[in-house]
Amino acid sequence: NAGVMQNPRHLVRRRGQEARLRCSPMKGHSHVYWYRQLPEEGLKFMVYLQKENIIDESGMPKERFSAEFPKEGPSILRIQQVVRGDSAAYFCASSPLGDSNSPLHFGNGTRLTVT
Amino acid sequence: KQEVTQIPAALSVPEGENLVLNCSFTDSAIYNLQWFRQDPGKGLTSLLLIQSSQREQTSGRLNASLDKSSGRSTLYIAASQPGDSATYLCAVRSARQLTFGSGTQLTVLP
Repeated sequence: NAGVMQNPRHLVRRRGQEARLRCSPMKGHSHVYWYRQLPEEGLKFMVYLQKENIIDESGMPKERFSAEFPKEGPSILRIQQVVRGDSAAYFCASSPLGDSNSPLHFGNGTRLTVT
Repeated sequence: KQEVTQIPAALSVPEGENLVLNCSFTDSAIYNLQWFRQDPGKGLTSLLLIQSSQREQTSGRLNASLDKSSGRSTLYIAASQPGDSATYLCAVRSARQLTFGSGTQLTVLP
């Protein structure tokens, strides 16, 4: 049973370009969470999604960031017009249920560098 | 708003020592608490999950305790090894999200 798969592992973008980060949850998992880890900082919650629904986006920056989890295919975190401050590791986690007792399983992350 | 604090921020010990990492949280209305390990440039590996109704969990040389009423958890590592060197993260689960502490960076010296 493959774990949470994130790609790409490393992504380099110039300022002003778009970044697309993909997350395929574990098989049978229908809930996806995105977290951001800035250099020398802890992980910060960004957004929680179910298939075709955003459940909680309280951690998402108001502009340039969006996330989706379509009925088919991976979850996508999209960052438009990237700036240097977006450079960070972005982690995705999944769980089988919305049950808060379910553990979250994390992917290996995508490391975004904005030049 | 939930806040999670981990002490110490960094710890260096000689191989073979037993050690304790501390985690505290401000809101005791949690569902569970998870301890993770993160190696440099890598993802998170789940070590132990304690449900809010439990007091402790054990896995090999690791033992995690939870005192929900006082908002504290400890991770005990017995007979530390150089391979235990990593950052250890504590995270508490509310209804919709996991809130992380900033981690304890552990170095075990051979």
